[in-house]
Amino acid sequence: DTGVSQDPRHKITKRGQNVTFRCDPISEHNRLYWYRQTLGQGPEFLTYFQNEAQLEKSRLLSDRFSAERPKGSFSTLEIQRTEQGDSAMYLCASSFELNNSPLHFGNGTRLTVT
Amino acid sequence: AQSVTQPDIHITVSEGASLELRCNYSYGATPYLFWYVQSPGQGLQLLLKEFSGDTLVQGIKGFEAEFKRSQSSFNLRKPSVHWSDAAEYFCAVGLTGTASKLTFGTGTRLQVTL
Repeated sequence: DTGVSQDPRHKITKRGQNVTFRCDPISEHNRLYWYRQTLGQGPEFLTYFQNEAQLEKSRLLSDRFSAERPKGSFSTLEIQRTEQGDSAMYLCASSFELNNSPLHFGNGTRLTVT
Repeated sequence: AQSVTQPDIHITVSEGASLELRCNYSYGATPYLFWYVQSPGQGLQLLLKEFSGDTLVQGIKGFEAEFKRSQSSFNLRKPSVHWSDAAEYFCAVGLTGTASKLTFGTGTRLQVTL
């Protein structure tokens, strides 16, 4: 079990630039989730996939955000035209399909928008 | 919508002392309940989970949690704290039938003095 892997660990970008993050889930897991955590807060749900299908998106996920999981394995989260309010830790998690399967989180990608 | 309240933002305990972190939730039915721990710059690690209505749940690293349905509480406890337990602790609630879309509390930062 190599755990959930996220890349990069840190990203600093200028406002208006596009950024893309990658998440590699635990290989046996077919559910993959994205959460966002701002300073002093708990993580907030953004979206999740079951295999390659994106099953739910939060209202937090504005039109500038897009997530994909094209082959049901790794996932990417892209933010277009970044804003300073996008600065946060972006956490990826994965789980089995069973409804009581707990989430296993990666170490996150910390985004700083200057 | 469900919500989670962790009333203590910051707690300091001496090494070897007992610990209790409070968590209250608001939800119309019995939810899935979780405690996660986060070290600085890291992702979240699952400490324990409660799915079946048990009143006392055992977790990893010597942690346990008491579920009190009548008080809508799920407090985390440890009889004797170690310096390595210093971290941020998050309580989370999942809708019945799914452990995927979690609502997190704002966290309690634990400091351990030697």
